[in-house]
Parts: sequence; C-alpha cells; structure tokens
Amino acid sequence: DVKVTQSSRYLVKRTGEKVFLECVQDMDHENMFWYRQDPGLGLRLIYFSYDVKMKEKGDIPEGYSVSREKKERFSLILESASTNQTSMYLCASSLELAGVYEQYFGPGTRLTVT
Amino acid sequence: GQNIDQPTEMTATEGAIVQINCTYQTSGFNGLFWYQQHAGEAPTFLSYNVLDGLEEKGRFSSFLSRSKGYSYLLLKELQMKDSASYLCAVRDSNYQLIWGAGTKLIIKP
Repeated sequence: DVKVTQSSRYLVKRTGEKVFLECVQDMDHENMFWYRQDPGLGLRLIYFSYDVKMKEKGDIPEGYSVSREKKERFSLILESASTNQTSMYLCASSLELAGVYEQYFGPGTRLTVT
Repeated sequence: GQNIDQPTEMTATEGAIVQINCTYQTSGFNGLFWYQQHAGEAPTFLSYNVLDGLEEKGRFSSFLSRSKGYSYLLLKELQMKDSASYLCAVRDSNYQLIWGAGTKLIIKP
C-alpha cells in the first residue's frame, strides 16, 4: 500500500512565525504535491515537484515555498505565517502525471494561525 | 477560466441509489477522477474516466461525456459508510488536477 505521511495532524502557530510542514511517501513516486483545502472551495494546488530539487508553482504559491532534497520528502514552508493561511494542508504523490495514475493523499495537517 | 461544478450537498436513503453530477469547463482534458473523502480524512481514489462511457467498479460507477463536459458518479445499494464528500477532479492540458468543491452525501437510515 502506498503510504503518504505528514508530520503533524494539527498545528497552531502565531502570525509571523516560520512554519514547516513535511510530507514523506514510501512508494518511490516521482511527483509530489501540496494543496490547501478550504470550506466551499476545491483543493487548490500550491506547489508541485516532479523530481528531486525540481519545483513548479501551482495556482496559489504566494506566501509559500517548498523544498525537495530527497525523492521521498517534500516540505512546505510558510516563511511568515498569516491568519489567511489557516487551512487544511494536504500532501499527495503520484507515479506519473498522465494516464490512469491517481494521486495518493496524506492525512492532512490542520494549521491554525492566530 | 477553469471551473468544476457539483452540487454542494445531497441526501439519500440507505439501500437506495444516488447520482452525483459534475460539469466542467477546463483548458484541455486528460481524464476525470472521482475521490471519496470522509470527514477529517484524506481523499481516496474511486474512479478514472478518460473515454466516453460508463466505468463500473462494484457498487460504484462513473460516467463521462466529453462533448457535454459532464460526468456522474452512481452509488448503488447505499450504506451508512458511504456518507462522505465526493470530489470531482479534471486533469487539464498541463496535466494538473482541477478540483470541484465536493458534494457532501448524507445517508439516512
């Protein structure tokens, strides 16, 4: 079974803090993704990575950065957390971008910025 | 712009059949996915359609009409554990998934 794990289920941070969210997958997938999920909205892509050290901006990259130093690990960084970044953050991985290959999701990190 | 529309909420009775619709307007089309998401949990893959027609997987079926920009997920013999949100996602010309906001399905005994 593909397993995607995220470092925390719940996080509470203060405005202005630097926040690190980590994601690890154990199936040697090339592609990894960070989404945020807010009520009434579809999942929105923040960044994705198709290889080690490679990254591409998604639809809402502002205020975020990412790091992929190892194939299995993809980190999301909030340089200076703000209250509008309070959200559920979901990490996903997939073997391929095309074809029948679905994305596998981690359990999510619910981040609250106060 | 890109848009995926699905009903916000639906209610159905245990043992019955329910159809959840999804319409889309996207820049290109490279497949459509349905995911299930229980409250507080991660989305999990249900089905994939890339050609027109019906794909059946046990109690779940998914239909696609590319010319109409339309898909539906059909759930038969509903069980209480099917209470969840159902997410429709379309893979666009850049091979990225565009997600609908999800349909919350409530099953009543």
